[in-house]
Amino acid sequence: EPEVTQTPSHQVTQMGQEVILRCVPISNHLYFYWYRQILGQKVEFLVSFYNNEISEKSEIFDDQFSVERPDGSNFTLKIRSTKLEDSAMYFCASETGGNQPQHFGDGTRLSIL
Amino acid sequence: AQSVTQLGSHVSVSEGALVLLRCNYSSSVPPYLFWYVQYPNQGLQLLLKYTSAATLVKGINGFEAEFKKSETSFHLTKPSAHMSDAAEYFCAVRDRGTTPLVFGKGTRLSVIA
Repeated sequence: EPEVTQTPSHQVTQMGQEVILRCVPISNHLYFYWYRQILGQKVEFLVSFYNNEISEKSEIFDDQFSVERPDGSNFTLKIRSTKLEDSAMYFCASETGGNQPQHFGDGTRLSIL
Repeated sequence: AQSVTQLGSHVSVSEGALVLLRCNYSSSVPPYLFWYVQYPNQGLQLLLKYTSAATLVKGINGFEAEFKKSETSFHLTKPSAHMSDAAEYFCAVRDRGTTPLVFGKGTRLSVIA
């Protein structure tokens, strides 16, 4: 069964550094999402992406965040200058559209030191 | 705005006993409802979904959920717990396709031998 693939599985970064989290959505999916889960808290929506542009974003998704689909297969989340509070598990999800569910990757655990 | 409440952050059952995980939602429109399961160090796997067809929804691994509009509930059940069911379970809602999911805080299920 096709899967959403995320790399790396764990990223350790110094505060203030830029980090890029990578996702390969399922190939025929058109809608892409990033969520995060701070340890012990609920999964929170960050941003959705369709037709090469952001379709919706949460208040968490401030100017430090950006997303890109650089080559038609990868979907990336960039954090420009990381803060301690960015430490979390980041999940990528994709879907075909309509009433179909979102499919999630295994996540990237981001640790900011 | 939509919201999801999962009653009980931790539920413990004996192997072979009934599993009941509670989820109540708030939505101004007929919702799309989902249950996801998260095993340790893994991503979110779809268990089942409700999208306004049958009110009793069957999912994978013997789980099912019943949509009750009058109670705004979508509780997850399994007749007989297995050790492999130990995981974190998340209820999620959205008001239509291709929109972000709103998650509950999750319920950790422990199964005792």
